[in-house]
Amino acid sequence: NAGVTQTPKFRVLKTGQSMTLLCAQDMNHEYMYWYRQDPGMGLRLIHYSVGEGTTAKGEVPDGYNVSRLKKQNFLLGLESAAPSQTSVYFCASKRGTRQETQYFGPGTRLLVL
Amino acid sequence: AQSVAQPEDQVNVAEGNPLTVKCTYSVSGNPYLFWYVQYPNRGLQFLLKYITGDNLVKGSYGFEAEFNKSQTSFHLKKPSALVSDSALYFCAVRDSGTYKYIFGTGTRLKVLA
Repeated sequence: NAGVTQTPKFRVLKTGQSMTLLCAQDMNHEYMYWYRQDPGMGLRLIHYSVGEGTTAKGEVPDGYNVSRLKKQNFLLGLESAAPSQTSVYFCASKRGTRQETQYFGPGTRLLVL
Repeated sequence: AQSVAQPEDQVNVAEGNPLTVKCTYSVSGNPYLFWYVQYPNRGLQFLLKYITGDNLVKGSYGFEAEFNKSQTSFHLKKPSALVSDSALYFCAVRDSGTYKYIFGTGTRLKVLA
């Protein structure tokens, strides 16, 4: 049982390049989340999903897109990376409506030059 | 809008002494409150939550938190700090009527030997 995994662990992009971050969970959780962590700002919610085929915007969705085609996977896309998107990205999942505990992945460190 | 505030960027405490990490919240309706811990280069781990019931909530690793409705606070406590408790601690609240979670900016705890 791997829990929540994130791919890649680290990536360097040039401004304007695109990439996709993959989050996978093997716990059959319904809800999945993408956060970004920046110094002094804590965690901020980018997008989330309450089930397969659904997505919704969080606090800071601009410049990102997401997809949840399979229940176990939640993809975060950057179409045209900007230096302001340099951050550590965390994925999390939780079982369902009545379960409040989120399980976090190890993070992806992204540097945009 | 729901929010949490962690007024201290850093808390230093001597090993063996009690520790408190502060959190205040602002919500409409009943608060769903959480504490998470982040060790270096790791994802966040759930410590404890308050949904309803006793104002003193017990969690993992000997931590507890006290819910105070009149002061809108949810401070994290431990009777005797360990050096291994040194980490970044986040308070969080669930956004009422949604499944979005709002995190504080984090408090770095340093336990000195």
